[in-house]
Amino acid sequence: AQSVTQLDSHVSVSEGTPVLLRCNYSSSYSPSLFWYVQHPNKGLQLLLKYTSAATLVKGINGFEAEFKKSETSFHLTKPSAHMSDAAEYFCVVSEMNRDDKIIFGKGTRLHILP
Amino acid sequence: DAGVIQSPRHEVTEMGQEVTLRCKPISGHNSLFWYRQTMMRGLELLIYFNNNVPIDDSGMPEDRFSAKMPNASFSTLKIQPSEPRDSAVYFCASSSRDRPTFSGNTIYFGEGSWLTVV
Repeated sequence: AQSVTQLDSHVSVSEGTPVLLRCNYSSSYSPSLFWYVQHPNKGLQLLLKYTSAATLVKGINGFEAEFKKSETSFHLTKPSAHMSDAAEYFCVVSEMNRDDKIIFGKGTRLHILP
Repeated sequence: DAGVIQSPRHEVTEMGQEVTLRCKPISGHNSLFWYRQTMMRGLELLIYFNNNVPIDDSGMPEDRFSAKMPNASFSTLKIQPSEPRDSAVYFCASSSRDRPTFSGNTIYFGEGSWLTVV
């Protein structure tokens, strides 16, 4: 069975410093992994996705994530935080060869300190 | 592409009334999802359809909730009768299952329907 764990419910960083949002997954098959962002009072927007191509995935707004099979992790990073990055971030796992079963993590709220 | 379109964007209704939320998925997508988001429970999958057929409705909270997808371009989520605890944001999302490449089944979300039951 597949599952996804976001290790931190809240993360606070200062503007201009690096961002690290952690995600671990479990999957019986080759997983697809995604990060979505949700700004206040908005829908969910795709940041990036991994689908068994390059393990380092670049997304929008300077975010990237690295798929590490040995660690079953897909952490999201950004070198320098911006105030506009304040939002909730969701890690998502989807198994290939399955009927679109998609599991969302519980979310990590990112706070940016001035 | 217009994206996933949901209506209404906001609704305030009285307890006991029927609520119908509507969704138009992205053209060509064959999977459709209904999610509910609350502060307490976060994001919950209510039901999803594949090729207009309900595949998994185990997340539907109770018989007051029902969902239909009469064709590939339209789905409804109905709550009858509504209760204050149904107050939440309801998201519709769609994806395409890209055989045989399995290109990742990216889900695209609508902007949500913000429901308040008083």
